[in-house]
Amino acid sequence: QQPVQSPQAVILREGEDAVINCSSSKALYSVHWYRQKHGEAPVFLMILLKGGEQKGHEKISASFNEKKQQSSLYLTASQLSYSGTYFCGTELGRGKLIFGQGTELSVKP
Amino acid sequence: ETGVTQSPTHLIKTRGQQVTLRCSSQSGHNTVSWYQQALGQGPQFIFQYYREEENGRGNFPPRFSGLQFPNYSSELNVNALELDDSALYLCASSFWGGGTDTQYFGPGTRLTVL
Repeated sequence: QQPVQSPQAVILREGEDAVINCSSSKALYSVHWYRQKHGEAPVFLMILLKGGEQKGHEKISASFNEKKQQSSLYLTASQLSYSGTYFCGTELGRGKLIFGQGTELSVKP
Repeated sequence: ETGVTQSPTHLIKTRGQQVTLRCSSQSGHNTVSWYQQALGQGPQFIFQYYREEENGRGNFPPRFSGLQFPNYSSELNVNALELDDSALYLCASSFWGGGTDTQYFGPGTRLTVL
């Protein structure tokens, strides 16, 4: 039931792009993306809903392929502040999020 | 800053003891979810409270229990602590009015069981 994220870790130079993928074996209603820095709480990035609606508040884009039960998070022109662990969460039932194992992103100067 | 607060920040307990963790939800939110995050893992859903009722539970034993109060703040209680209970405990508050709600996490309580 736990979504699978790939890659597990990625190292970038400032300005480079990255894609983080999230796949589920179950039909997805929504996918929630969070970023967590070491020792801090996860911070909400974006929700993608079945039917194509997206809700987010940062300059990060994502896609949601309902047929493939996949979502991808696109980080373009990465900045040092993008470093952290990215989690995708899928809804098991209303509001009950099941998180992937995380993708650790390091952006170097 | 999400407006979600948790207390205490850190806690050290010994096996067999009981612990209560507290969460104040963001203003206007009516739902609180609790998660356990072990080192290097994603958060694991414990349970959720909506309007003072438990509204779903993850794969956690009954010694994990909770409450939600009329002001929507919440408590997580863990009895008979085990070493494996050592983790970061996160609460997330949201407003549910139908559809999918966005959950905003608090800073967490780091529990160490010796």
